[in-house]
Amino acid sequence: QVQLQESGPGLVKPSETLSLTCTVSGDSISNYYWSWIRQPPGKGLEWIAYIYYSGSTNYNPSLKSRVTISVDTSKTQFSLKLSSVTAADTAVYYCARGRVHWNFDLWGRGTLVTVSS
Amino acid sequence: EIVLTQSPGTLSLSPGERATLSCRASQSVSSTYLAWYQQKPGQAPRLLIYGASSRATGIPDRFSGSGSGTDFTLTISRLEPEDFAVYYCQQYGSSLTFGGGTKVEIK
Repeated sequence: QVQLQESGPGLVKPSETLSLTCTVSGDSISNYYWSWIRQPPGKGLEWIAYIYYSGSTNYNPSLKSRVTISVDTSKTQFSLKLSSVTAADTAVYYCARGRVHWNFDLWGRGTLVTVSS
Repeated sequence: EIVLTQSPGTLSLSPGERATLSCRASQSVSSTYLAWYQQKPGQAPRLLIYGASSRATGIPDRFSGSGSGTDFTLTISRLEPEDFAVYYCQQYGSSLTFGGGTKVEIK
C-alpha cells in the first residue's frame, strides 16, 4: 500500500525558510508528478508546485519566486522549500501524488506549519 | 490563471436527498483536467471524480460528475451520513487551481 508522509518543523519564524519533506513508501517514485498543496486554517486548497521524478518542475506563479521543489529518487522523497515566510504562509501542507491528467489520487495526512516568532 | 467559482457556498440537505454542486470556470477548461475532491474535517482531500465524469477507485456510484467548457457539476444522488463534507473542484490549464469549496451540511 502506497503511503505519503510529510515531515518537517511545525514552527517557523517570519522571514525564515520553511522546509518540508515527503517520504513515499510502498512504491517507486517514478512515473508520477509529486506535488505540494497547502490549506490555511479554515480556508481552501492552494497548489504550490510539482516535480516529476525526472526532475522537471512547475510552480504556482503567485509563489514561484519563493519556492523550490526537489526530488531524491534513491530515498523516494521529495522536498519543499519556501523562503521569506510570513504569517500568511501558516497552513496545513500536504504532499500528494499527481497523475498524468493532473488530478491527485494519493495524499499525505498533512502537517501544520505555523509561522510565528 | 483560471478561477473556479463553486456554488453554493453551503448546501443544507437531509440524508437521502440529492445534492447538486456547481463549479464554474472563468475560461474554458478541458474536461480531461477537471477533478472533484471530498474533504472531511481533519482529513486530507480524497479524489472522487477525474476527467469531469470518471469515478476514482472505490468511489460509490451515487457520486457522478458532468459538464464541459466552463460549467461542471458534481451530483450525489442520495446523501449518506458520511457524505456530509466539503467538496472542491480542481482544474489544470495554464496553471493548477482549486475552487473555493462547497460545504454540504446536515439540515
